Amino acid sequence: DAKTTQPPSMDCAEGRAANLPCNHSTISGNEYVYWYRQIHSQGPQYIIHGLKNNETNEMASLIITEDRKSSTLILPHATLRDTAVYYCIVRDTTSGTYKYIFGTGTRLKVLA
Amino acid sequence: NAGVMQNPRHLVRRRGQEARLRCSPMKGHSHVYWYRQLPEEGLKFMVYLQKENIIDESGMPKERFSAEFPKEGPSILRIQQVVRGDSAAYFCASSTLQGSNQPQHFGDGTRLSIL
Repeated sequence: DAKTTQPPSMDCAEGRAANLPCNHSTISGNEYVYWYRQIHSQGPQYIIHGLKNNETNEMASLIITEDRKSSTLILPHATLRDTAVYYCIVRDTTSGTYKYIFGTGTRLKVLA
Repeated sequence: NAGVMQNPRHLVRRRGQEARLRCSPMKGHSHVYWYRQLPEEGLKFMVYLQKENIIDESGMPKERFSAEFPKEGPSILRIQQVVRGDSAAYFCASSTLQGSNQPQHFGDGTRLSIL
């Protein structure tokens, strides 16, 4: 089972910030949070990952709460091309394979 | 472009035929993961391989499915005697060191359709 829960869908106005929440209340101390997005018919695209500190790159910012039980992906100025399904992932570290366990993600729709 | 390459992008097979899906990892990556995605669902883990070794195949059906990652050449996911239920998108991902925090990088998948 996925270690994360996300709202199934969200809308965001073009040019505004998109804030996508993720709950990972069972995360262990050494487990990272990864964010990917999947645009129709393409493979998942890596966005950002973090452990406990906030992270920022050219695509997005990742805010992780102090207790690490939840995080928020922020797309600062959403465009129509950001319409996609966004997945928040915590890897399975117990089996030693570090495989990803995908949930159902959040379908973000950016509106013109 | 040194990304993960999968081919073919689309594959059509009749029931009972064999399907062979290929994945070339990113340069310098020796870990390969295969995932399957049904319509409107998230990706499901199938198998994890390092060069010449299957490390975890817990997500792969016991029959008809096999995977390899030879010393030379791409990783291959092989499905024998395909059935309609095998229709799906199959994605390959690669990464560097196992256990590191480095992310997996995905290819654009092979869409398998069974007639």
